[in-house]
Amino acid sequence: GESVGLHLPTLSVQEGDNSIINCAYSNSASDYFIWYKQESGKGPQFIIDIRSNMDKRQGQRVTVLLNKTVKHLSLQIAATQPGDSAVYFCAERKSSGDKLTFGTGTRLAVRP
Amino acid sequence: GAGVSQSPSNKVTEKGKDVELRCDPISGHTALYWYRQSLGQGLEFLIYFQGNSAPDKSGLPSDRFSAERTGGSVSTLTIQRTQQEDSAVYLCASRGGTSGAWGNEQFFGPGTRLTVL
Repeated sequence: GESVGLHLPTLSVQEGDNSIINCAYSNSASDYFIWYKQESGKGPQFIIDIRSNMDKRQGQRVTVLLNKTVKHLSLQIAATQPGDSAVYFCAERKSSGDKLTFGTGTRLAVRP
Repeated sequence: GAGVSQSPSNKVTEKGKDVELRCDPISGHTALYWYRQSLGQGLEFLIYFQGNSAPDKSGLPSDRFSAERTGGSVSTLTIQRTQQEDSAVYLCASRGGTSGAWGNEQFFGPGTRLTVL
């Protein structure tokens, strides 16, 4: 599953800095959101999820923020490392449903 | 195996030929999904299997696309009379447990890269 290529928005950050990746979702009925990471040649990998009754959730080095008013989701990565270089996708669905709708993705490039 | 596996990893075919792509989900996972990922695009939902229920085929782009899941495990995605626009990476994912559980995410396989000449 090679990640998509030339037309993705790219975020370039210095190693050790914090990264913020943004996503605007489309369906106001969605109440469950996920961030996936896709490295070159691999399928997407789950990072963190959040439900609509929350506005923030933290994992290991990652934080997801949800603003339902403006239908905006963000992923914050603390102390970005070279291994964080990948394409990041947000995904949304209704918690009662099973089909995810994916955003187009953002490529994160970490400068040494 | 421990994860979702897909075969072949790469497939090159000629326009008009039929292709079959295989997905082996994580053992015990009842839900199985197929997605298509074209260059410069996100993941496009194709079809979804859940247990013994009728599959959700709402994402299949044309009647040239079909999928089966035998015995609630392995799934095959078939594309008949392939066209150049079918070139993409085809990803399979599986999920177990209940829909509302935390971290009940879909686990993805590595994908099959299909190139139609």
